[in-house]
Amino acid sequence: GENVEQHPSTLSVQEGDSAVIKCTYSDSASNYFPWYKQELGKRPQLIIDIRSNVGEKKDQRIAVTLNKTAKHFSLHITETQPEDSAVYFCAANPGAGSYQLTFGKGTKLSVIP
Amino acid sequence: DAGITQSPRHKVTETGTPVTLRCHQTENHRYMYWYRQDPGHGLRLIHYSYGVKDTDKGEVSDGYSVSRSKTEDFLLTLESATSSQTSVYFCAIGVAGGNEQFFGPGTRLTVL
Repeated sequence: GENVEQHPSTLSVQEGDSAVIKCTYSDSASNYFPWYKQELGKRPQLIIDIRSNVGEKKDQRIAVTLNKTAKHFSLHITETQPEDSAVYFCAANPGAGSYQLTFGKGTKLSVIP
Repeated sequence: DAGITQSPRHKVTETGTPVTLRCHQTENHRYMYWYRQDPGHGLRLIHYSYGVKDTDKGEVSDGYSVSRSKTEDFLLTLESATSSQTSVYFCAIGVAGGNEQFFGPGTRLTVL
């Protein structure tokens, strides 16, 4: 089955700096890669996703990049703000056509004012 | 919030008792999922459904069963709860062929 590794497990940045979270996946047939943000005590919320037919996608201060050859994808947050503090999860679908997701173990991002 | 509700939101029970958690959606989505979330493990899939009476096992299905007799309801049952099943349980619905998943508010279950 699919295996998703996520690094780092914790990340602290100064407000205004950039943050990068990286994930690797094992199934070369995976074609959908979402990112979720979970604030303390809340549900995970989908913030951005990318499909395997594109290499990069941006939405305001967040972007995701995908390297299919290396089987890794990354979340980039620019101009970080205190409200970006949360746990971020990456995920991948285990094979094209699959309607399941396999999640990474999460990265706790702390933005220091 | 994609019209997803979970009940109860909090439950404390004793080892050996049966427990049923309910997930309800109002938008007629075909795909529904149950996950558990534990520190250091992220979100792990317990069971999922791809239609009424169509269900399958996920990564951590031992000790859990599910039922889906109506499109809008997906039930998760712990036949005999154990302390290892203390967790936060999230239901999710899937759109766009199931890949895009949206989560319910969660149920915090404590098994004493």
